[in-house]
Amino acid sequence: GQQVMQIPQYQHVQEGEDFTTYCNSSTTLSNIQWYKQRPGGHPVFLIQLVKSGEVKKQKRLTFQFGEAKKNSSLHITATQTTDVGTYFCAGHSSGTYKYIFGTGTRLKVLA
Amino acid sequence: DGGITQSPKYLFRKEGQNVTLSCEQNLNHDAMYWYRQDPGQGLRLIYYSQIVNDFQKGDIAEGYSVSREKKESFPLTVTSAQKNPTAFYLCASTNRQVNQPQHFGDGTRLSIL
Repeated sequence: GQQVMQIPQYQHVQEGEDFTTYCNSSTTLSNIQWYKQRPGGHPVFLIQLVKSGEVKKQKRLTFQFGEAKKNSSLHITATQTTDVGTYFCAGHSSGTYKYIFGTGTRLKVLA
Repeated sequence: DGGITQSPKYLFRKEGQNVTLSCEQNLNHDAMYWYRQDPGQGLRLIYYSQIVNDFQKGDIAEGYSVSREKKESFPLTVTSAQKNPTAFYLCASTNRQVNQPQHFGDGTRLSIL
């Protein structure tokens, strides 16, 4: 069945360093969403990418959707302690309302 | 304020017991979802429902059951057939229109006594 993998599984960075997480799907996606889950909390929607090669920015966060619509990345510039949490991608295939979540990347930011 | 309410926040299950987790939303969303999250893991889909009186199995439906009698409600029953139920359970909903984000409840932590 369809799988969505994320790397790395964990990342520890010093505050001010950059961070990137990568998401790879075994099948072509109609769109991809990114969520952030703080420790002990629930996932919160960050952004959605729909078009091939799309790039979107939210302040220090940059999201990309691959040309083949099978991979995506989230890049955080100059991390802050408030960026701590687990970042998930969720892939959606056309013709269904089912989302497949990636395995997540857990980010720790050291002050 | 619109949102998704899950209850209880913490639940303990005895051996051989069925327990039901509640999920209610007032967002007027058509689609609802149940996910299971194990420590340090991603979200795995248990069941989802696109419309009232209809639902589909996700990737790990064995040992679970659901109903969707009302648009606002999507309860999940963890049956005694689920031998390893200890996990964090998350309910989500979304508008049926294409490309809509999922809104999550605060979750229920289920443990075995």
